[in-house]
Amino acid sequence: KAGVTQTPRYLIKTRGQQVTLSCSPISGHRSVSWYQQTPGQGLQFLFEYFSETQRNKGNFPGRFSGRQFSNSRSEMNVSTLELGDSALYLCASSLAIGVEAFFGQGTRLTVV
Amino acid sequence: DAKTTQPPSMDCAEGRAANLPCNHSTISGNEYVYWYRQIHSQGPQYIIHGLKNNETNEMASLIITEDRKSSTLILPHATLRDTAVYYCIVMNLTGTASKLTFGTGTRLQVTL
Repeated sequence: KAGVTQTPRYLIKTRGQQVTLSCSPISGHRSVSWYQQTPGQGLQFLFEYFSETQRNKGNFPGRFSGRQFSNSRSEMNVSTLELGDSALYLCASSLAIGVEAFFGQGTRLTVV
Repeated sequence: DAKTTQPPSMDCAEGRAANLPCNHSTISGNEYVYWYRQIHSQGPQYIIHGLKNNETNEMASLIITEDRKSSTLILPHATLRDTAVYYCIVMNLTGTASKLTFGTGTRLQVTL
């Protein structure tokens, strides 16, 4: 079956702009989580959605937001981009909360 | 979530067993031990998880000490494709949400 699909794979944005990243989970998976990976901070949890509800949130500013649709697809949005937002953004889906998570290939965002 | 401590790097000869240790001395009774790995430029990949009993699957074995304060991931016959960063994560599953708190991991280098 198809894995977790993230689009786009690469993105270049300018400081101050906003960006929306998309994640399509594995069919049947209802839990979607987002992570940010940078060389300095490593992998950090952003938020988790289950059945269209945000169940958990990491320690990121309000510029980072997300949502989940009824088909379990998820989007995350970053407003007023800063240079430090340059990172690999990873989405993971799982059948339910707490079980094995499957990660996508990520979206590499570069802010210039 | 309990914190974990892993050696920053390890080497292993191809064909030999790779034993990756993890210390989680502050783990509580309802927290599970998860292992993921990340091969360069890819999303993390689930390997195995356990609570207190030893676990084995097609990829690896997980040995958890009786006091649960440490564990060892064993790759029985390491290959070059096992070169990756391995993350040991402790996660509480009793709540309504879950998140993977990644540490710095162990960079395993498998050599000929």
